[in-house]
Amino acid sequence: KQEVTQIPAALSVPEGENLVLNCSFTDSAIYNLQWFRQDPGKGLTSLLLIQSSQREQTSGRLNASLDKSSGRSTLYIAASQPGDSATYLCAACHTGTASKLTFGTGTRLQVTL
Amino acid sequence: GAVVSQHPSRVICKSGTSVKIECRSLDFQATTMFWYRQFPKQSLMLMATSNEGSKATYEQGVEKDKFLINHASLTLSTLTVTSAHPEDSSFYICSARHPGAGGPYEQFFGPGTRLTVL
Repeated sequence: KQEVTQIPAALSVPEGENLVLNCSFTDSAIYNLQWFRQDPGKGLTSLLLIQSSQREQTSGRLNASLDKSSGRSTLYIAASQPGDSATYLCAACHTGTASKLTFGTGTRLQVTL
Repeated sequence: GAVVSQHPSRVICKSGTSVKIECRSLDFQATTMFWYRQFPKQSLMLMATSNEGSKATYEQGVEKDKFLINHASLTLSTLTVTSAHPEDSSFYICSARHPGAGGPYEQFFGPGTRLTVL
């Protein structure tokens, strides 16, 4: 059974800092890995999707990497802003199981002024 | 493109009543949709996979008679919480699998429905 863990559970950084969020998964047989953002009481916003054949994806200040062999993914946020404050979730898409997603435990990020 | 909507966004009901939540893919056809629930400060847990024209597949521990899922068209899946009780209060989120965007297995998520059972 796939298990997805995110470290740290919570993080507070001053504005302008670069930061890294970590995601680890136990089963490397995945189609892709997605990173999402969730604001309090809201749904999910997809940030980046990395296919299993890819090593990284970039969008603006965000860069996500994937190392299937070690079961790890990272989300790098450059020059953090208060508007980046949210919970960040990673999710691994299983192979052979109708594309089910297993979500990580989430990292609550607060960017302070 | 690839927009998924949910209705209602928030619902409050009395214990014992049934509540229906709709999930629609607005600009694409989705043969597969998924229903998740999320408790406060916890992650999303998959409840069931909804397949158009066939029975839903439920995850272990999810009562299929309590959480009725119907996927009668390629753009609509519904989740009915039957005889709701306070412990069913949660945030319910649906997703739809888009056939081509970002790869064959990308899911797009609805905005969620907050259910409160009094």
